[in-house]
Amino acid sequence: NAGVTQTPKFRVLKTGQSMTLLCAQDMNHEYMYWYRQDPGMGLRLIHYSVGEGTTAKGEVPDGYNVSRLKKQNFLLGLESAAPSQTSVYFCASSVPGQGNTGELFFGEGSRLTVL
Amino acid sequence: AQSVTQPDIHITVSEGASLELRCNYSYGATPYLFWYVQSPGQGLQLLLKYFSGDTLVQGIKGFEAEFKRSQSSFNLRKPSVHWSDAAEYFCAVGAGTGGFKTIFGAGTRLFVKA
Repeated sequence: NAGVTQTPKFRVLKTGQSMTLLCAQDMNHEYMYWYRQDPGMGLRLIHYSVGEGTTAKGEVPDGYNVSRLKKQNFLLGLESAAPSQTSVYFCASSVPGQGNTGELFFGEGSRLTVL
Repeated sequence: AQSVTQPDIHITVSEGASLELRCNYSYGATPYLFWYVQSPGQGLQLLLKYFSGDTLVQGIKGFEAEFKRSQSSFNLRKPSVHWSDAAEYFCAVGAGTGGFKTIFGAGTRLFVKA
């Protein structure tokens, strides 16, 4: 079982360049998320989606855009990369519904360096 | 505002010794509590979770955690640590209605010495 797959796993950008991170999940989960992980700060939510065609801002959305055109895919875009966006990015998915525990299923991460 | 505090940035234990990782939370409603583990270069994996019932919960890899409402704590324990337990551990609190309300602690990195 693939679970949550992120591509690419590593990327180096120059300031001002753009790029897209792709997340794909094969668990038929409704909810998907993009987090960034920085030392000493845990995981911070960038954007999330509660279903195909919907997106919403999380805790640190500035400088990022997302799209959820298909249920299984969630794309994270950086239009003009900045050194402050150097981080490890994690995609996650979960099952929705009142009473669910909110357990998150994570991809292996994408390490982005902006020079 | 809801928050999660993991007081220890890193902990070193000897292989075979017991382990306790601390987690304190602030949450206005009934919390759903989680411990995740992240091995080097990997994503996060759920160790265990609590949302109701017995306050002592068992997880994978021999871990357990105890929910103490009076202390707003959810500490993770293991009686005998193995070298393969070296990883970073994250405590998280959520609302149970969706992961977008999950708040993560800063993490505790566990080092295991032979």
